[in-house]
Amino acid sequence: QSVLTQPPSASGTPGQRVTISCSGSSSNIGSNTVNWYRQLPGTAPKLLIYNNNQRPSGVPDRFSDSKSGTSASLAISGLQSDDEADYYCAAWDGSLNGVLFGGGTKLTVL
Amino acid sequence: QVQLVESGGGVVQTGRSLRLSCAASGFNFRTHAMHWVRQAPGKGLEWVAFIWYDGSEKHYADSVKGRFTISRDNSKNTLFLQMNSLRAEDTAIYFCAGDPPQSGFAFDIWGQGTMVTVSS
Repeated sequence: QSVLTQPPSASGTPGQRVTISCSGSSSNIGSNTVNWYRQLPGTAPKLLIYNNNQRPSGVPDRFSDSKSGTSASLAISGLQSDDEADYYCAAWDGSLNGVLFGGGTKLTVL
Repeated sequence: QVQLVESGGGVVQTGRSLRLSCAASGFNFRTHAMHWVRQAPGKGLEWVAFIWYDGSEKHYADSVKGRFTISRDNSKNTLFLQMNSLRAEDTAIYFCAGDPPQSGFAFDIWGQGTMVTVSS
């Protein structure tokens, strides 16, 4: 099963703004909403952004997303040390009839 | 307290079967589509299977199609994953996840995961 394409790593310094990209195709990102998850080591993933830039309760507005065509991006502003985690994008794929995850991006705060 | 609790994982030999369960509490299980997602050691997330809120629709990843079966019992707020003909590459932590109505397949509730190890 194919995956959505994310950079394996990203980094930034405290206070900086970083973006994580997610590239797909017309059958997934191009026609469905993109959801973003954050996972700390040894724990279950947690929903971060869903359904066109909506945030679950408790997720600060430092986190936002955008989409253009078959690509999406997660932006984190005011980077903090506890933002260090793995970040995953995901979207339904209408051709595969299943959910695709990106390969994950490990964010390091320098 | 909104919660999903998986059980049934363990060590199993190649070719054997295992049945995972996921007990839901604290939310309206009957309105949520449910999914299984797995994560091999040191790897990323892989979607495994999906079942509609009433069980009327099911979909599987190609990697498990024909071997795994997802089901649910809404009277017991429980989700299941029957795994047959297990392979070494099925070794992973298996998470169940809840997908509320009109969320665009967003998994807003996750269990803590149960480890499945397939060895020869």
